[in-house]
Amino acid sequence: EIVMTHSPATLSLSPGERATPSCRASQSVSTNLAWYQQKPGQAPRLLIYGASTRATGVPARFSGSGSGTEFTLTISSLQSEDFAVYYCQQYNNWPYTFGQGTKLEIK
Amino acid sequence: EVQLLQSGGDLVQPGGSLRLSCAASGFTFSNYAMTWVRQAPGKGLEWVSTISGSGGYTFYADSVKGRFTISRDNSKNTLFLQLNSLRAEDTAVYYCAKGINVDYGNWFDSWGQGTLVTVSS
Repeated sequence: EIVMTHSPATLSLSPGERATPSCRASQSVSTNLAWYQQKPGQAPRLLIYGASTRATGVPARFSGSGSGTEFTLTISSLQSEDFAVYYCQQYNNWPYTFGQGTKLEIK
Repeated sequence: EVQLLQSGGDLVQPGGSLRLSCAASGFTFSNYAMTWVRQAPGKGLEWVSTISGSGGYTFYADSVKGRFTISRDNSKNTLFLQLNSLRAEDTAVYYCAKGINVDYGNWFDSWGQGTLVTVSS
């Protein structure tokens, strides 16, 4: 199974700052990677697929990059509603796997 | 608008069984693979199982293979997960999620609200 590892586990930033949580795959997943946002008590929400394509309705401040084993989600200027947990998911191989998440908290 | 309405979560004893349901609306259900993802309390997301749009292909995580069965009724736009031989480590919120293609799903663009399964004596 492909192991997905987030770094850092927790990211403490202030509104207006730039956030760049990362995700590493234990083997290449090409660009078959998605990013999700989850707020407490809510279901995950799709942000990015294909490593860099924004899902419908996702604000332009969210962007994704990377291929192979290294991926980054960038939030260009943090808004209050962006403080949440972010998960990557690979769909290149079965079983599909998620990372353990990066918690983005207010500094 | 895509809606996935879940039901069936409950408190069950170890070794017991439960059936989860996910009623879909707002899209042509049979055209999309569907998936179950779970989240243990305070933990991350874990993919559990996927079923193709026709129901002809099913995929399971090793942790549930042989104990859980995914199925769907395309005439009723409903996805199911039968959970047997439940263990304490199966305690989690279970989400149903819509894939983006008919065979494997790939990523998940809509999610149900989640339903809590608690396995405890």
